[in-house]
Amino acid sequence: QQQVKQSPQSLIVQKGGISIINCAYENTAFDYFPWYQQFPGKGPALLIAIRPDVSEKKEGRFTISFNKSAKQFSLHIMDSQPGDSATYFCAASKIQGAQKLVFGQGTRLTINP
Amino acid sequence: DSGVTQTPKHLITATGQRVTLRCSPRSGDLSVYWYQQSLDQGLQFLIHYYNGEERAKGNILERFSAQQFPDLHSELNLSSLELGDSALYFCASTGPVANYGYTFGSGTRLTVV
Repeated sequence: QQQVKQSPQSLIVQKGGISIINCAYENTAFDYFPWYQQFPGKGPALLIAIRPDVSEKKEGRFTISFNKSAKQFSLHIMDSQPGDSATYFCAASKIQGAQKLVFGQGTRLTINP
Repeated sequence: DSGVTQTPKHLITATGQRVTLRCSPRSGDLSVYWYQQSLDQGLQFLIHYYNGEERAKGNILERFSAQQFPDLHSELNLSSLELGDSALYFCASTGPVANYGYTFGSGTRLTVV
C-alpha cells in the first residue's frame, strides 16, 4: 500500500512538445503529492506539488493533474525545452507529522533540440 | 545551494570497511531523512529522525545505523561494506509540516571496491 508506480521509465520528446509522466498510488491516506526534478550529480529538487483538494495545479510550463477517484496524478511539461532533460520523480506522503516521501521509480526525460 | 549540506561528496572504500556520512539540515528544519539511490533505482527511504529521535525506519540494513545530534546534524554509519552498498546517499530535511517540500542535499556518492 506504500507503493507509488511511475511511468514511463524513459521518455523522448521533441523541443516544443508536451511531456507527460504518470503516477499511481495505493494508500488513500496520502495527501501530498510532489514532483521532483533531478539533474545528474545533483540532489532532487522540488518542482511542483499538489494536495488532493484540487484537480490541477499550474506553475509556468509545469502542470500537475490529479484524479483522486482513480488514485492517479500526472506531470505535464508544456513547450518542453532541452534544459528540461532530467530525471523526474513523483512522490506521495502524508503532510501532518512530516511523514516520509514514497517515491516512484523515476522517468528519464530527454528533450531533443 | 539548497541549504542542506552533505559531506563528503565522494567516498571510495574497500569491502568490509566502515564509513560515516554527514548531513546538516536546512536552518530551522528539525526532520532529517536518509535515502539511498542505486543505479537505475528510485529513492529508497532508509530512516527518519525528528529533533534527535528516530521516527521511522525503511528498508535499512542492520549494518547501517544513524543518529541525529543535539545540533540537528545527522550521521549515517555504514559498516561491513559490500559491493552492493555502492550508491548515492541523500539526506533531506523539512519542518514539522511538509507542504513546503523536502529539501535534498547534493548527496554522497559511495563506491565500494
